[in-house]
Amino acid sequence: ETGVTQSPTHLIKTRGQQVTLRCSSQSGHNTVSWYQQALGQGPQFIFQYYREEENGRGNFPPRFSGLQFPNYSSELNVNALELDDSALYLCASSLARTGLGPYEQYFGPGTRLTVT
Amino acid sequence: LAKTTQPISMDSYEGQEVNITCSHNNIATNDYITWYQQFPSQGPRFIIQGYKTKVTNEVASLFIPADRKSSTLSLPRVSLSDTAVYYCLVGDRDSGGYQKVTFGIGTKLQVIP
Repeated sequence: ETGVTQSPTHLIKTRGQQVTLRCSSQSGHNTVSWYQQALGQGPQFIFQYYREEENGRGNFPPRFSGLQFPNYSSELNVNALELDDSALYLCASSLARTGLGPYEQYFGPGTRLTVT
Repeated sequence: LAKTTQPISMDSYEGQEVNITCSHNNIATNDYITWYQQFPSQGPRFIIQGYKTKVTNEVASLFIPADRKSSTLSLPRVSLSDTAVYYCLVGDRDSGGYQKVTFGIGTKLQVIP
């Protein structure tokens, strides 16, 4: 069983550019969430995808968008990068199932994005 | 979403039991309480989840009083490798599977030799 992987590990972009971050979910998982974590802060929820459709979104502008593919891998796209977008971007996969309560999420190691 | 409040930091000696308390006064009826652990430069790792009373697994226990306005994560006999940030989350998921979870700042636990 492989864990959640993310690429690239580190990335440096210039303000105004666009970036695509990638995530490969844990085998068998059908739900993926993306988080932004600024230095010294907890992760902030960006959005969640379930079976290729966005089914939840946090307080992030539309220039943050995503995709989930049939093999449950996913992408996070950020347009018109701003300096404040510099952060660790985390992907988390989970298996939507019957029952109660939030799903246990399995996080990847993250992509460190620096915007200059 | 219910807001959570945790101590910003805690120190403990190796081998001691550590209890981290989280306050969530506005917890909703259907909300669950979940704890995650995060090491530097890594993603958070699920520790434990509960709804009421006591839950125990191989790494921790979670104590939830009857009013559910707080919860306590208990780590038995901590070691240096338990030095990390611990997050308390309160939330639920809807019928469509959507789970908007909110991480706070977390509690930075430093284990001292």
